[in-house]
Amino acid sequence: QVQLQESGPGLVKPSETLSLTCTVSGGSISGYYWSWIRQPPGKGLEWIGYIYYSGSISYNPSLKSRVTISIDTSKNQFSLKLSSVTAADTAVYYCARMPTTSFDYWGQGTLVTVSS
Amino acid sequence: QSALTQPPSASGSPGQSVTISCTGTSSDVGGYNYVSWYQQHPGKAPKLLIYEVSKRPSGVPDRFSGSMSGDTASLTVSGLQAEDEADYYCSSYAGSNDYVFGTGTKVTVL
Repeated sequence: QVQLQESGPGLVKPSETLSLTCTVSGGSISGYYWSWIRQPPGKGLEWIGYIYYSGSISYNPSLKSRVTISIDTSKNQFSLKLSSVTAADTAVYYCARMPTTSFDYWGQGTLVTVSS
Repeated sequence: QSALTQPPSASGSPGQSVTISCTGTSSDVGGYNYVSWYQQHPGKAPKLLIYEVSKRPSGVPDRFSGSMSGDTASLTVSGLQAEDEADYYCSSYAGSNDYVFGTGTKVTVL
């Protein structure tokens, strides 16, 4: 059974960079696309971007200038960096596996609060 | 890239059916057979219910079904059960390697 686990700081100061890592267990990171998705408190889901195991990437156009997603296949991990954060970036951040065009396995989510 | 439009709420009594719509454009929902649906209970991660418009992953009850007409996709939950009370989201491929989610629908079992 594939499992995903997000990790990283739960509090980030405004204007700084949010950094999260997703660790994949129970299966290989190879052969799939891997996504980051976020959900502000009480609001809907927003796709942030994905990375293929080989390294190809796509980002949400609305976040593209601030997002970097990377992958480390040797550690079965992929990561998210979001720069110049503001309070609007406060959200639960999920990592998810994409076998094709849907998201089939999700992490439990991690709340990141942007506040000084 | 705008969020897909879903009704904010839907409801039905146990045993009844409820249908949730997901309206996009010809650039996303209507342009590809790549709509998926997710169920989210409070405080939990979303769960995949339907992919590629109407396919069910292993383990998802056949009470959940998906369809599409033009720029609108639909999720029908038949034989409503108490545990179906949750938020439901659609998602679609939007071209240029982008994806978009719907605004979400809260389903209440009366």
